[in-house]
Amino acid sequence: DQQVKQNSPSLSVQEGRISILNCDYTNSMFDYFLWYKKYPAEGPTFLISISSIKDKNEDGRFTVFLNKSAKHLSLHIVPSQPGDSAVYFCAASGNAGNMLTFGGGTRLMVKP
Amino acid sequence: GAVVSQHPSWVICKSGTSVKIECRSLDFQATTMFWYRQFPKQSLMLMATSNEGSKATYEQGVEKDKFLINHASLTLSTLTVTSAHPEDSSFYICSASDRGLAGELFFGEGSRLTVL
Repeated sequence: DQQVKQNSPSLSVQEGRISILNCDYTNSMFDYFLWYKKYPAEGPTFLISISSIKDKNEDGRFTVFLNKSAKHLSLHIVPSQPGDSAVYFCAASGNAGNMLTFGGGTRLMVKP
Repeated sequence: GAVVSQHPSWVICKSGTSVKIECRSLDFQATTMFWYRQFPKQSLMLMATSNEGSKATYEQGVEKDKFLINHASLTLSTLTVTSAHPEDSSFYICSASDRGLAGELFFGEGSRLTVL
């Protein structure tokens, strides 16, 4: 049973437009959520995170929104750049601290 | 940010041999390291939690006798895939925290294992 789901395996966006990546979770014990970016044959790199006490966290072009009642979070990238093309994983953790449960990933392609 | 390094990045081995992958925290001490496995086009699956000076904690379904984890020092954890088979071919990634379970995770570059 997947506790963290990213239902869109891929997303294609034009450069300069907004990219919206979605993530759903089922475990109500999760209280910390993170987004990671991954290039092929490399390890994931941390992008942005949000605690369950917040509903929005912004860092430059990246904003993460959390809707606890819907158990849904999203990552917005504005404006999208070709260098943002990568696989994006959302991850969640609960009382166990940073033991992460990852979603399946969404491949973002930003076209010039 | 903190740096976690894995070695080797790529390894090809024959079926039946054992392969060791190292994970090092270069500029911080890591009491806890995590090992993940990623199949093509799939998510990262946590295999085990490596604790310095004690036995690793394995996730359900992960064979501890096949995937040997040793965390001998605060900067090094190793994953040994014993008697490797083609189905063990995968991308293995380690991560470490500079503040135990409460700290931010930093990921290694990953190691791609291909078993012929």
